Amino acid sequence: EIVLTQSPGTLSLSPGERATLSCRASQSVSSRFLAWYQQKPGQAPRVLIYGASNRATGIPDRFSGSGSGTDFTLTISRLEPEDFAVYYCQQYGTSPPLTFGGGTKVEIK
Amino acid sequence: EVQLVESGGGLVQPGGSLRLSCAASGFTVSNNYMSWVRQAPGKGLEWVSLISSDGSGGSTSYADSVKGRFTISRDKSKNTLYLQMNSLRPEDTAVYYCARDEARASVNWGLGTLVTVSS
Repeated sequence: EIVLTQSPGTLSLSPGERATLSCRASQSVSSRFLAWYQQKPGQAPRVLIYGASNRATGIPDRFSGSGSGTDFTLTISRLEPEDFAVYYCQQYGTSPPLTFGGGTKVEIK
Repeated sequence: EVQLVESGGGLVQPGGSLRLSCAASGFTVSNNYMSWVRQAPGKGLEWVSLISSDGSGGSTSYADSVKGRFTISRDKSKNTLYLQMNSLRPEDTAVYYCARDEARASVNWGLGTLVTVSS
């Protein structure tokens, strides 16, 4: 089973600042199989990034994904008030289980 | 427009059973990979089960935590995804989401249905 470790657990930032979220895998993951999601309280998750770096439909370009192998990054270039939420990475490989990371909460400083 | 609506959640005693439904519109369930994902109260996301599209053989897979107890299936005539949950445990308490998968990601999600396992 591939374990995804997200860091930091909580990120305290102000609107307008840059957010850098990390997702580290216990073994190499194909870039095609790495996705990022945003979840706000009381809502279902929403896909932001698939294939490590491809923005999903309707996602603003302030969100970007990068990385390969075991290290992946989600960057929010300038935080907007609506970006304060919990973010999860997921590996969707060819072998189950399709694991999620533990999440990073981006909170207002 | 793609829409997913889960139903069937509720309060059940340990050892009991529930069947969750996920009614889909705007696309054909059998032509897509579909997942169930759950979230225990105050916790993160946990992948539960996947069914591949008919074109990919309709294979199923499960998290170890539910293997042998949960069964994913679909009804083409109703365009609906199901999750049959047997031998339920308190640790199965969670909001259960169904999702349509594409390009190796869950791109459309329902609002979820709450399952509470308690005596």
